[in-house]
Amino acid sequence: AQKVTQAQTEISVVEKEDVTLDCVYETRDTTYYLFWYKQPPSGELVFLIRRNSFDEQNEISGRYSWNFQKSTSSFNFTITASQVVDSAVYFCALTLNSGGYQKVTFGTGTKLQVIP
Amino acid sequence: KAGVTQTPRYLIKTRGQQVTLSCSPISGHRSVSWYQQTPGQGLQFLFEYFSETQRNKGNFPGRFSGRQFSNSRSEMNVSTLELGDSALYLCASSLQGSLDEQYFGPGTRLTVT
Repeated sequence: AQKVTQAQTEISVVEKEDVTLDCVYETRDTTYYLFWYKQPPSGELVFLIRRNSFDEQNEISGRYSWNFQKSTSSFNFTITASQVVDSAVYFCALTLNSGGYQKVTFGTGTKLQVIP
Repeated sequence: KAGVTQTPRYLIKTRGQQVTLSCSPISGHRSVSWYQQTPGQGLQFLFEYFSETQRNKGNFPGRFSGRQFSNSRSEMNVSTLELGDSALYLCASSLQGSLDEQYFGPGTRLTVT
């Protein structure tokens, strides 16, 4: 069975601080995809990044960066110089193929509050 | 380019009734996926439709069903509503499927009393 753990339920930081959101996953499959989504107070999920299990290259997109480490089954997300607009719930998700179907597992989310 | 739209945005139903939710994807997107979000169970995948065929299915009872029309619009139906079906139902569209970058709608907030 697959599992995604986001141990940090809530994080508060002061604006301009850096913050890292942790995501640890479990799966026996060798082929899988990892995602991060942002859910602002409006409720609409926003896709941030997708990474497949064969691509361990870290990625940077503006103030956002992702660190994928298969050795520790982690896919952590860092926001540099946080801003109030970053306040949201962030979800990590794992998707893999199982018996011809895709199985999608979400973490419980980390609520980030950026204080001005 | 218009985003993903979901109707209605809010709905109140009584236990035992049935409900139909609608999702219009971004023009050109052939994949529509549905998700349920509740405080207790979190985000859960319901199913995905691609070119009018159900391609993937989550672990939900048969009371939850869906369909997709030739214009890629999708509907989700829940029959014999239970209190536990109260949730935010999100749909997402993409070009190729749920492994692709997905664009989400604002959701339909369903309350079952």
